[in-house]
Amino acid sequence: SSELTQDPAVSVALGQTVRITCQGDSLRSYYASWYQQKPGQAPVLVIYGKNNRPSGIPDRFSGSSSGNTASLTITGAQAEDEADYYCNSRDSSGNHHVVFGGGTKLTVL
Amino acid sequence: QVQLQQWGAGLLKPSETLSLTCAVYGGSFSGYYWSWIRQPPGKGLEWIGEINHSGSTNYNPSLKSRVTISVDTSKNQFSLKLSSVTAADTAVYYCARGVPDYDFWSGYFLDWFDPWGQGTLVTVSS
Repeated sequence: SSELTQDPAVSVALGQTVRITCQGDSLRSYYASWYQQKPGQAPVLVIYGKNNRPSGIPDRFSGSSSGNTASLTITGAQAEDEADYYCNSRDSSGNHHVVFGGGTKLTVL
Repeated sequence: QVQLQQWGAGLLKPSETLSLTCAVYGGSFSGYYWSWIRQPPGKGLEWIGEINHSGSTNYNPSLKSRVTISVDTSKNQFSLKLSSVTAADTAVYYCARGVPDYDFWSGYFLDWFDPWGQGTLVTVSS
């Protein structure tokens, strides 16, 4: 399958924990990567691999994976975390095409 | 610190060819996949295709018939051409470095895009 499915929108109260999920068959053999995109800006990598954060990404961002579902967790969400979040991997068909989830709009209340 | 800088025409007429170039500064060109990704206004990310340093390409099947990605390793640049554009090709186009890897412990593959170019808004309008 070449699809990754994300919930279109999620909200979280300031300081609380939120989980954003990404589902797809390819996630049984590929770790998802996660990107944060704020309006008018290019996406920024926040999580890659099993649970790796690039330099400069706060440790309140973490990743996990189980079966066909990958999750991005923000522990203690801040106002500046309000953004669109995208997951990506490659498809599992053997063609190694890149696929992106449809994105999740995170609102911090 | 690797940086990507992209440029190209921002306004096209239907049936013209979109042409964008991305320059890679501050890092090796080999060992990575150099990708183009686009985002129509108000919509999500769509992968267009990729190329490695030796010129091997991989394209999104939905765009394959119109896409050519090429590389100039002497200049550390890669380029995108998309032919016969229509209004549906209006989007912000990003270049990005794809980093492939494999986790031997879990047996999982992984890759990620980092960094990204600044993006170029391409509008197709008559």
